[in-house]
Amino acid sequence: GDSVTQTEGLVTLTKGLPVMLNCTYQTTYSPFLFWYVQHLNEAPKLLLKSSTDNKRTEHQGFYATLHKSSSSFHLQKSSVQLSDSALYFCALSEKGTQVVGQLTFGRGTRLQVYA
Amino acid sequence: GGIITQTPKFLIGQEGQKLTLKCQQNFNHDTMYWYRQDSGKGLRLIYYSITENDLQKGDLSEGYDASREKKSSFSLTVTSAQKNEMAVFLCASSIRGDYAEQFFGPGTRLTVL
Repeated sequence: GDSVTQTEGLVTLTKGLPVMLNCTYQTTYSPFLFWYVQHLNEAPKLLLKSSTDNKRTEHQGFYATLHKSSSSFHLQKSSVQLSDSALYFCALSEKGTQVVGQLTFGRGTRLQVYA
Repeated sequence: GGIITQTPKFLIGQEGQKLTLKCQQNFNHDTMYWYRQDSGKGLRLIYYSITENDLQKGDLSEGYDASREKKSSFSLTVTSAQKNEMAVFLCASSIRGDYAEQFFGPGTRLTVL
């Protein structure tokens, strides 16, 4: 079935270093990908979204490019900050399904940034 | 802007108990969702409602009921709480349509003793 696979578990980094959180997906429909971020004890919030192949999308220093050829939508940042410590979810929405607006979420990747 | 409110914030129940979680949104969104968040398992869809008076099952609907009382509110009932169950239940809302951004509430943390 349709699915989303993310970098597993915990990613730890020192502030100022670059990060890439992997996201790959499987679908038979036209994909729309999202990245949501959830800080501790807060609600998940949208970080990025895209349905355009090979076009970089950016927000708050994070960026991602949807590559349909490799079914990927990796999240990157060139220099992480302490405030980036959070749980990151990749999610897939599919056009052409019966289910309007339904998202399939990956398991989430926790990013922990140290000083 | 708008806000999603979930009550209660923390819910402690006993095995076999019927428990109800409530969600209110003031975005005037048509579509509302209930997700369950378990550590290491992402968010799994329990129920959703495309518009008022609509109710659809998600992948995890067994053991739950839902009710869309009006456009702004969506309730979830755990029909029989399972012993040692611990999870966070997240409510979300969006405009109706493909690719709509979902806005989430802060969650209800359930613990079953």
